[in-house]
Amino acid sequence: KAGVTQTPRYLIKTRGQQVTLSCSPISGHRSVSWYQQTPGQGLQFLFEYFSETQRNKGNFPGRFSGRQFSNSRSEMNVSTLELGDSALYLCASSVTFRGSTGNYGYTFGSGTRLTVV
Amino acid sequence: AQSVTQLGSHVSVSEGALVLLRCNYSSSVPPYLFWYVQYPNQGLQLLLKYTSAATLVKGINGFEAEFKKSETSFHLTKPSAHMSDAAEYFCAVSPSDSSASKIIFGSGTRLSIRP
Repeated sequence: KAGVTQTPRYLIKTRGQQVTLSCSPISGHRSVSWYQQTPGQGLQFLFEYFSETQRNKGNFPGRFSGRQFSNSRSEMNVSTLELGDSALYLCASSVTFRGSTGNYGYTFGSGTRLTVV
Repeated sequence: AQSVTQLGSHVSVSEGALVLLRCNYSSSVPPYLFWYVQYPNQGLQLLLKYTSAATLVKGINGFEAEFKKSETSFHLTKPSAHMSDAAEYFCAVSPSDSSASKIIFGSGTRLSIRP
């Protein structure tokens, strides 16, 4: 059974550019969540999607956006990149939405390492 | 409100020695508790989770953790460290029956293993 696939694995962008990251969940998983991981702030929640609908959003500026497709694949977009956006972006999938943390857990992908120069 | 504190950003033990990584939590509702491991340039892998069943939870790779409500702790242990255990470990807490948005991660503990 394939795991959570994130593409690309590494990305280098210039300030002011925009970037799109992709996440393919485990087959059958309908919930996808995104996290930003930095040495200073640790793991911070970005968004959560279930059945193509954003269910929750973390405390990030509007430059960060996302969406989920009918096949549960998800993308996140960051516009007008800043140096502080350099981070490891992790995607996690789960079977369902509420009640999932305990009963089903979340499976994380290997992440996309974004470097903004 | 919930929070989690991992005591010690870096722990170093000798190969074959006991591993003890400390985690204390704060939660206004019955919590679910997790330990994740992260290897360099990898995502998070679930080691074990407490979901209000047995207080002693056994996970993968020989790790276990004990939920102690009176001490609000969920420390991770392994009787004998192996070189392959070198990684970063994250403790996390969430309310029961909640979603990813409510998971709070600790700041992580980097475990080094001395030969």
